[in-house]
Amino acid sequence: IQMTQSPSSVSAAVGDRVTITCQASQSISTWLAWYQQKPGKAPNLLIYAASSLQSGVPSRFSGSGSGTDFTLTISSLQREDFATYYCQQTDSFPLTFGGGTRVEFK
Amino acid sequence: EEQVVESGGGLGKPGGSMRLSCAASGFIFSAYSMNWVRQAPGKGLEWVSSITTAGSYKYYGDSVRGRFTISRDNAKNSVFLQMNSLTAEDTAVYYCARDRGRYTAFVMDFDLWGRGTLVTVSS
Repeated sequence: IQMTQSPSSVSAAVGDRVTITCQASQSISTWLAWYQQKPGKAPNLLIYAASSLQSGVPSRFSGSGSGTDFTLTISSLQREDFATYYCQQTDSFPLTFGGGTRVEFK
Repeated sequence: EEQVVESGGGLGKPGGSMRLSCAASGFIFSAYSMNWVRQAPGKGLEWVSSITTAGSYKYYGDSVRGRFTISRDNAKNSVFLQMNSLTAEDTAVYYCARDRGRYTAFVMDFDLWGRGTLVTVSS
């Protein structure tokens, strides 16, 4: 299953609403996770099952979608949110990630 | 504190072998499936391999199947990745990651990651 993220990068300011999309090459129901990765660090799970917020993750992060089209939204971007975001299908092996979306400071 | 710590990375030669280890602490290791994910320099994430709680089932990415072997030792709270026939394309940071599901089969997303160990394959 191929996962396609867009955009590959986005420039935003603190307080902006940011939306990242992920498209699967076939239907994966809601079997999708989102991760945040900061430079030199391991990824951090944000969202699982397309819309479930992982424990400890701020509520400004939300996920939606089903089938082949998914969205990660950051409702009000904070300084610590500048990072790269990856989607991952959790429907079946082999597991696959999207190419990543870099959120940069405008 | 729950954590996983990778070790065993370094410089390897094309065609050679390396063995990565991942030591877990702070949680019931035998209750979780475990995984390896890698990231080539400046690139995105690539799933490598997964193993169920008792080691009964193992899965591999296409790029490593037949060359890499995942295993675990629940008595030692450790998971391993034996890497054979290394190529330059295996150069990456290798992360050990815990499956989020406890006492279940895979849920296939990863809620605990190590800091990674860098593997460089070069002559």
